[in-house]
Amino acid sequence: QVQLQESGPGLVKPSETLSLTCTVSGGSISSDYWSWIRQPPGKGLEWIGYIYYSGSTNYNPSLKSRVTISVDTSKKQFSLRLSSVTAADTAVYYCARLAPVTTNFDYWGQGTLVTVSS
Amino acid sequence: QSVLTQPPSVSGAPGQRVTISCSGSSSNIGAAYDVHWYQQLPGTAPKLLIYDNSNRPSGVPDRFSGSKSGTSASLAITGLQAEDEADYYCQSYDSSLSGVVFGGGTKLTVL
Repeated sequence: QVQLQESGPGLVKPSETLSLTCTVSGGSISSDYWSWIRQPPGKGLEWIGYIYYSGSTNYNPSLKSRVTISVDTSKKQFSLRLSSVTAADTAVYYCARLAPVTTNFDYWGQGTLVTVSS
Repeated sequence: QSVLTQPPSVSGAPGQRVTISCSGSSSNIGAAYDVHWYQQLPGTAPKLLIYDNSNRPSGVPDRFSGSKSGTSASLAITGLQAEDEADYYCQSYDSSLSGVVFGGGTKLTVL
């Protein structure tokens, strides 16, 4: 059973960079696509981007200029960096696995709330 | 404004059947990309409910079913139960955006 756990600061100042890490356990990271998804308080889900274990990435066009997703297979971790944050980036951030062959997210982390505030 | 359009809310009495629609376009659902559905209980992460239009992951009751036709998809819930009260999201892939898209979500209230 694959498990994912997000970690990182819960508070980030405006204009700074948000950094989160997702640790994968119970399975291999070296065969699938891994994604970040966020949900502003009281709002819907927004896909941020995903990374293949080899390092190739695909980002949401609306966030592409500010997003970097990276992977460290030796640590079974992948990470999110979102630069120049504003209050609009306040959200619960989820990491998830993109299921093999298909395009759905079959395993999710519990989510971590990141608040952008001075 | 979400790429996939869902009704903001639906409701039904226990035991009834409800459906939630998900409307897309020729660059996502209409382009033969699969539709997936998630259930999000209050304060929890989304859970995969239906994948590849109509398939249920292990453990999901057969009261939940999905279908797809043209540029739209639907989630049906029969024998409504109090524990079904949650937010439901559809998801697909969009070729114009070259990425994953979600619906805006539908809040199901069990009366």
